Amino acid sequence: NAGVMQNPRHLVRRRGQEARLRCSPMKGHSHVYWYRQLPEEGLKFMVYLQKENIIDESGMPKERFSAEFPKEGPSILRIQQVVRGDSAAYFCASSPAGGIDEQYFGPGTRLTVT
Amino acid sequence: GNSVTQMEGPVTLSEEAFLTINCTYTATGYPSLFWYVQYPGEGLQLLLKATKADDKGSNKGFEATYRKETTSFHLEKGSVQVSDSAVYFCALSDRANAGKSTFGDGTTLTVKP
Repeated sequence: NAGVMQNPRHLVRRRGQEARLRCSPMKGHSHVYWYRQLPEEGLKFMVYLQKENIIDESGMPKERFSAEFPKEGPSILRIQQVVRGDSAAYFCASSPAGGIDEQYFGPGTRLTVT
Repeated sequence: GNSVTQMEGPVTLSEEAFLTINCTYTATGYPSLFWYVQYPGEGLQLLLKATKADDKGSNKGFEATYRKETTSFHLEKGSVQVSDSAVYFCALSDRANAGKSTFGDGTTLTVKP
């Protein structure tokens, strides 16, 4: 039973490029969450999605960041025109239902902007 | 809004020492409480959880009790091992903010032989 999968594990982008981070939830899970972890800091919520719906994007920066979870395929976190401050670890988590269940985390994508 | 406050780290202990990592929370409803552990280079893994007042979560020798009266969920272990070295996150989620778990800033534990 595969866990949450994220790819790539490491991503290097130059300033101004686009970064696309992918997340495949655990089998049977229809709820996906994205978090950002800056160096030496805690986990910050970004967005909560269900299939084809954004439920809560209150943690997403207003510009350059977008997320989707299509009917088929993985969830995508997209960062346009990356800046050095976007360098961080981005974690995806999934759960079988929304609410107060625990979340299952992927290994993360470490984005480095040069 | 909800918030979680953890004791600041880093925490350094000798093997077989007693561990306590304090966690207090603020929530509008009746949250579920969690401790997650993050090993270097990895994602978070659920360590234990408690879903209602006075519940005790336990796993791998770690324990935490949901104390509603003090809004706390302190993590304890009687005898730590070198392999317990990791970052520990306290978290909560509640129905009013379904899906949006709130995490503490994490406490780094280093256990020395």
